[in-house]
Amino acid sequence: EVQMVESGGAVVQPGGSLRLSCAASKFTFESYTLHWVRQPPGKGLEWVSLISWDGISSYYADSVRGRFTISRDNSKNSLYLQMNSLRTEDTAFYYCAKGVTTPDYWGQGTLVTVSS
Amino acid sequence: QSALTQPASVSGSPGQSITISCTGTSSDVGAYNYVSWYQQFPGEAPRLMIYEVSNRPSGISHRFSGSKSGYTAFLTISGLQADDEAHYYCSSYTISNTVVFGGGSKLTVL
Repeated sequence: EVQMVESGGAVVQPGGSLRLSCAASKFTFESYTLHWVRQPPGKGLEWVSLISWDGISSYYADSVRGRFTISRDNSKNSLYLQMNSLRTEDTAFYYCAKGVTTPDYWGQGTLVTVSS
Repeated sequence: QSALTQPASVSGSPGQSITISCTGTSSDVGAYNYVSWYQQFPGEAPRLMIYEVSNRPSGISHRFSGSKSGYTAFLTISGLQADDEAHYYCSSYTISNTVVFGGGSKLTVL
């Protein structure tokens, strides 16, 4: 069964940085587009970013463009999200997911809290 | 990147059918047949229920079905069961190569 495990969530001050990781297994990692999706506690889902199978193309939500960077390492079956200039409104559970267009299989999420 | 529009809540009695709508624009729902639906229980990750408008992944009950008309997609759950009570979200791929989600619908089984 597909496995995707996020890590790196923490409490960080406004203006700070954080790097999330997602370790994947049990599927052909290098063949899939990958996504980051976030969910503030008690609220709805917000798509954050996606990266193409080869890492060449990436796209971002307006709310994070210029502050977040998605990347992947196909040799390590890993996906990353570098988050800079963090704001209180970035507080959320962050999920990694695979999916050619929309996300299909999701990890269990990691919590990022931005607070002073 | 405006969110897709879903009703905040829907309800039905056991055995009944309910339908949740998901309205977008010509840039997302109306552009492609790349609409998905997810079920989410409290404290859990979303689970894919429908992809590409009307396809069910392996292991998803035939009670769940999807359709689309114009800029609106629909999720129908037939033979409603108590354990269907959850939040349901739609998503769509867009012409800008991004993804947009609906605001979510809380299903209550009466």
